[in-house]
Order: sequence, then structure tokens, then C-alpha cells
Amino acid sequence: EAQVTQNPRYLITVTGKKLTVTCSQNMNHEYMSWYRQDPGLGLRQIYYSMNVEVTDKGDVPEGYKVSRKEKRNFPLILESPSPNQTSLYFCASSLLGEADTQYFGPGTRLTVL
Amino acid sequence: GNSVTQMEGPVTLSEEAFLTINCTYTATGYPSLFWYVQYPGEGLQLLLKATKADDKGSNKGFEATYRKETTSFHLEKGSVQVSDSAVYFCALSDRDTNAGKSTFGDGTTLTVKP
Repeated sequence: EAQVTQNPRYLITVTGKKLTVTCSQNMNHEYMSWYRQDPGLGLRQIYYSMNVEVTDKGDVPEGYKVSRKEKRNFPLILESPSPNQTSLYFCASSLLGEADTQYFGPGTRLTVL
Repeated sequence: GNSVTQMEGPVTLSEEAFLTINCTYTATGYPSLFWYVQYPGEGLQLLLKATKADDKGSNKGFEATYRKETTSFHLEKGSVQVSDSAVYFCALSDRDTNAGKSTFGDGTTLTVKP
């Protein structure tokens, strides 16, 4: 089954404790992206990657890191999480092209205390 | 930069009512436009899309037309069902100078009552 998987689905942590949210897709997509969803703010793009070893900042990259060492994986790293990073996070992937549909993962709900 | 403005919600309709959710955008290039739907507890999934002016995207009875002159992509459905209750997001993808960047609206929550 074609899908985007994220782990963990739920995470409660404390300020300053480094964490990684994994994202993996099995559709051989070149493009992957991370978003956060907050009430009243919709989805905001954190980082995206057009291919292996190519990453770019989205609209809200501060406090996040990403890497793209393999085509299928695109982990999101929070080196020193803070309470304002409490949010619902979505990973997405797509083919590259003129109007490519993004396929979203199920989301990771992160709470930083 | 790019932006997407959606009609504020929440929207509550009775079954079989007509639905319109307004979406307007600003973009520096010539974007592709999308509507995504998010059902409770799930990720987003594509509802429909359009790539050029006057294109009409359609799916499951929903329609939206890419209007370059008014920079709009309003979502419509002639007769909504209870199962259409969800959050709807208008989005654009920049294909030119900022290829790879995606911009989403704030989302509109639709509740359809029987």
C-alpha cells in the first residue's frame, strides 16, 4: 500500500530534550515536506526537500532541522524543543512536476512541557 | 511572498444544501491550485486541483475553477452530505521562482447536519 508513515504519532516531552520525528514514504517520491498545523493558522511549511541531499527552508524553519540522506526518509529534528513548538506535525511527499499531489502522513501530535 | 486567504469558518449546513467556500490567493509566479480535505483524526488528502487559468478541478461532486483575473479558486458543491463534514484547505504550489514551496490557507471547518 502506497503511504507516508510518521513516528511517533503522539509525543509528550520536556523543554530542551532533543527529539526526532521520522517520516518515510514508499512511493519513490522525489519531494518531501514538513508542516505544522496550529489552530487559526492552518498549515505552515517548515522545510522541504526536492531530492536526496537537497533541503530548503519553508516559512517557519526556526528551531527545526531536517536531513535527506535517503530518498524515502525525511526526519524532522528538534534540537532543543520549546513549548511554542507544541503542534500537530505532518509529513508529505509527492512526485516533482507541474501540479503534483502531496500525500500526507497521519500526523504527529507533539506536546512540549 | 505567496498567501492564501480562505473564507472563515466554521460553516454549518443542512444536508442537501449548496456549499461555497471562498479562496483567494496572491502569488509572484503562476501557481498550481489545490483543495485538500482533512477528516477528523486524519492527514490531508487531495480533493481536486487545477494547473492553469480557467481549468476546472472536480471530484466527488465538488468543483473549483482557477480564475486568474480574480485570483480565486472557490470550492462549490451542489448538495452536501453529512459525510462531507471535514476541514477544507485551499493551497497553492509555486512552480517558478520558489519551486517546492507550498502555501495553505487556514482551513474551513464544515459541519453538515442531517
